[in-house]
Amino acid sequence: DAKTTQPPSMDCAEGRAANLPCNHSTISGNEYVYWYRQIHSQGPQYIIHGLKNNETNEMASLIITEDRKSSTLILPHATLRDTAVYYCIVRGSGGSNYKLTFGKGTLLTVNP
Amino acid sequence: AAGVIQSPRHLIKEKRETATLKCYPIPRHDTVYWYQQGPGQDPQFLISFYEKMQSDKGSIPDRFSAQQFSDYHSELNMSSLELGDSALYFCASSSTDRGWRNTEAFFGQGTRLTVV
Repeated sequence: DAKTTQPPSMDCAEGRAANLPCNHSTISGNEYVYWYRQIHSQGPQYIIHGLKNNETNEMASLIITEDRKSSTLILPHATLRDTAVYYCIVRGSGGSNYKLTFGKGTLLTVNP
Repeated sequence: AAGVIQSPRHLIKEKRETATLKCYPIPRHDTVYWYQQGPGQDPQFLISFYEKMQSDKGSIPDRFSAQQFSDYHSELNMSSLELGDSALYFCASSSTDRGWRNTEAFFGQGTRLTVV
């Protein structure tokens, strides 16, 4: 799977949008970008995924650049409960059923 | 909606003992993944199963084994436990109905194993 690079930590004010960047410059054409988050010691929680088009669901929006070398996860109105480690994962190769490979994510801290 | 169920939630074992962790996937999911997360670490892939057959293997010690049963639940068996096996163990499940790449996996709440 393609390697991803994320900032180790970010801060966001409660109620503001949180924009979490991810670089995946070696992504292949058939690989998807997935975002998960993990709130302290809980199971990783699926947020959103996409291939090349921007995606939106009830939790977040995913913006993928046209060249697909980077993406941004947007939490439109961050709350204190969004404080978590956010993982950007590129998935689509490397094994028979495309396991999710977790790298070093971004610790997002939402401040009151 | 039904989620991935793991049992037990907490387990304390002594060194050299054995442990069995269970995972019940979301109904109609055909793929199960196991992950290990040590203190302060990111989740590490151990092993996965698709339709009851092992489909991928990561950094799983030889002391560990796993299988997926006919009802799709999975068990991770750990023998000769060591202090370093103390960790959170997560199971995830997914369905392949939209293809491998385009299907999200959902995680359980994990089993916290403590080896003393």
